[in-house]
Amino acid sequence: AQSVAQPEDQVNVAEGNPLTVKCTYSVSGNPYLFWYVQYPNRGLQFLLKYITGDNLVKGSYGFEAEFNKSQTSFHLKKPSALVSDSALYFCAVRDTTGTASKLTFGTGTRLQVTL
Amino acid sequence: GAGVSQSPRYKVAKRGQDVALRCDPISGHVSLFWYQQALGQGPEFLTYFQNEAQLDKSGLPSDRFFAERPEGSVSTLKIQRTQQEDSAVYLCASSLVQGRLYEQYFGPGTRLTVT
Repeated sequence: AQSVAQPEDQVNVAEGNPLTVKCTYSVSGNPYLFWYVQYPNRGLQFLLKYITGDNLVKGSYGFEAEFNKSQTSFHLKKPSALVSDSALYFCAVRDTTGTASKLTFGTGTRLQVTL
Repeated sequence: GAGVSQSPRYKVAKRGQDVALRCDPISGHVSLFWYQQALGQGPEFLTYFQNEAQLDKSGLPSDRFFAERPEGSVSTLKIQRTQQEDSAVYLCASSLVQGRLYEQYFGPGTRLTVT
């Protein structure tokens, strides 16, 4: 069975500093990996995905993520954090067996960006 | 264009009542997913439709949960004889085509509180 781990419940960063939100995964085949962000009382918004190709994936709002196959990681990064980036971030992996298309999510990491 | 919409946004039900939650996916999206998000947790897969066919219902927690998408567009998640453990946010997502490569777009969710 596939799984995702987000080891940090919360990450605190000062505005203007780089941020990293960690994610590791476990799948039986090739991983299809996603990052979503959730603002209060709103659904999840897609940020970026890794399917194949370049290990550095660029997404919305200046976010990027680095796929590392040997470490089974897919960490989310941003060079310069904004207060408006404060939200709940979820890493997810898509099932690679059969025709299943469901996402398996991590437990989420709350990002707090302060002035 | 319009995103995924869900109604109602909030629902309070007394234990034992039946509830029906509605999802309007993005027009033209073939795939539709339901997820359950408990407080402080990541979303967990409930069921998946491709057009009107329910291809995966492995995540439905009990036979009190039932989902349908009769015309391949709007979907309804029904919970019979609600229990307190059913309290959660129910998220609907749609995807343009069937398959693992495409991101899912989420609605704002329905927050169900069972008293």
